Amino acid sequence: DGGITQSPKYLFRKEGQNVTLSCEQNLNHDAMYWYRQDPGQGLRLIYYSQIVNDFQKGDIAEGYSVSREKKESFPLTVTSAQKNPTAFYLCASSPWLAAVDTDTQYFGPGTRLTVL
Amino acid sequence: AQSVTQLGSHVSVSEGALVLLRCNYSSSVPPYLFWYVQYPNQGLQLLLKYTSAATLVKGINGFEAEFKKSETSFHLTKPSAHMSDAAEYFCAVSLNNNDMRFGAGTRLTVKP
Repeated sequence: DGGITQSPKYLFRKEGQNVTLSCEQNLNHDAMYWYRQDPGQGLRLIYYSQIVNDFQKGDIAEGYSVSREKKESFPLTVTSAQKNPTAFYLCASSPWLAAVDTDTQYFGPGTRLTVL
Repeated sequence: AQSVTQLGSHVSVSEGALVLLRCNYSSSVPPYLFWYVQYPNQGLQLLLKYTSAATLVKGINGFEAEFKKSETSFHLTKPSAHMSDAAEYFCAVSLNNNDMRFGAGTRLTVKP
């Protein structure tokens, strides 16, 4: 079964700690994305990556970091510099470099991060 | 830059009634438009997408949307609501530039 997996589903963090959220896809998609979702605000882009070893900041990158060492994996680290990290985090991927369906993004099940 | 506006953060309908969720877009060039559905504590699932092939787009679960350039709209409809349709719905726009913009979402409640 092809798809996107995110782990863990729920994550609790103490203030001042860094945490890493996992995102893996076996769809052979080129591009991967991280979004943050807060109630009533829709989705806001944190980072995205179109190819391995390259990534770009989105609208709200401050306090977050990413890496893209493998095509299938795009982990997100929420650092202690992120002032209000409690949110629902969604990972997505898209074919991007393919001839068709380049713009469609497919989403993982999400990780809910709570700072205690 | 492109953007979408979803009119109504909360829509309530009776089971069996028409569902109409409104989305207006802003774009300087012909966009790609999407509707996604999100159930509680889950990711977004693609309902349908418009990519200029046809103005009336049929999606999963009986939903469809019509692209109206003159009104810059892409409203989502379903003739008869089912209890399982209760969820949050997001409209999104993209210009084939790796930059998808989402609306704030509309929560659909279905009353028995």
